[in-house]
Amino acid sequence: DTGVSQNPRHKITKRGQNVTFRCDPISEHNRLYWYRQTLGQGPEFLTYFQNEAQLEKSRLLSDRFSAERPKGSFSTLEIQRTEQGDSAMYLCASSLLAGRGAFFGQGTRLTVV
Amino acid sequence: AQKITQTQPGMFVQEKEAVTLDCTYDTSDPSYGLFWYKQPSSGEMIFLIYQGSYDQQNATEGRYSLNFQKARKSANLVISASQLGDSAMYFCAMRETPNQAGTALIFGKGTTLSVSS
Repeated sequence: DTGVSQNPRHKITKRGQNVTFRCDPISEHNRLYWYRQTLGQGPEFLTYFQNEAQLEKSRLLSDRFSAERPKGSFSTLEIQRTEQGDSAMYLCASSLLAGRGAFFGQGTRLTVV
Repeated sequence: AQKITQTQPGMFVQEKEAVTLDCTYDTSDPSYGLFWYKQPSSGEMIFLIYQGSYDQQNATEGRYSLNFQKARKSANLVISASQLGDSAMYFCAMRETPNQAGTALIFGKGTTLSVSS
């Protein structure tokens, strides 16, 4: 499968725990994006990388959220001290530098109990 | 500020009929790109079609076409010959600079399409 891959697909965690999600983009894509989608809403942009550089992170929701892409390939999104309001679908997308569209993974659905 | 508006929470259509999903947008930038994505219940966002603000012709991709009316700031998606598998949530999205893929996509709230036999 050469699409964008996200793991895990589902995560249930207790409030206050840390969680980490992984995204493997399409191999030749140098741009990688993270979005959050809550119920009944469209995806909301969080951050993006060009290769290993994080070029936009001002829209991460709080300082509890952080993302990395250490070697310019896969990326991780970490949420520390999770809250019930963090329950959402977290989507990863990738694109070519000069491409028109971004290709999305199937998302990680987070439930904080 | 940029904004995407989808005013139809839900649409219902019968198989083989055409359906139009509405999208209006607001931006002050003369250079922008418009997208439609499909999101089935599995959650994956599937890219359908793209229209650049300077494109002279309306975009088409198979059964999908985009009715781009720049003066009215609308970018409606037309699905011809609906199929049961078209039942999903549809999102309209915008990127300000079509030639720079790093800019974030701004999404509307989506329209749920239900196709019946």
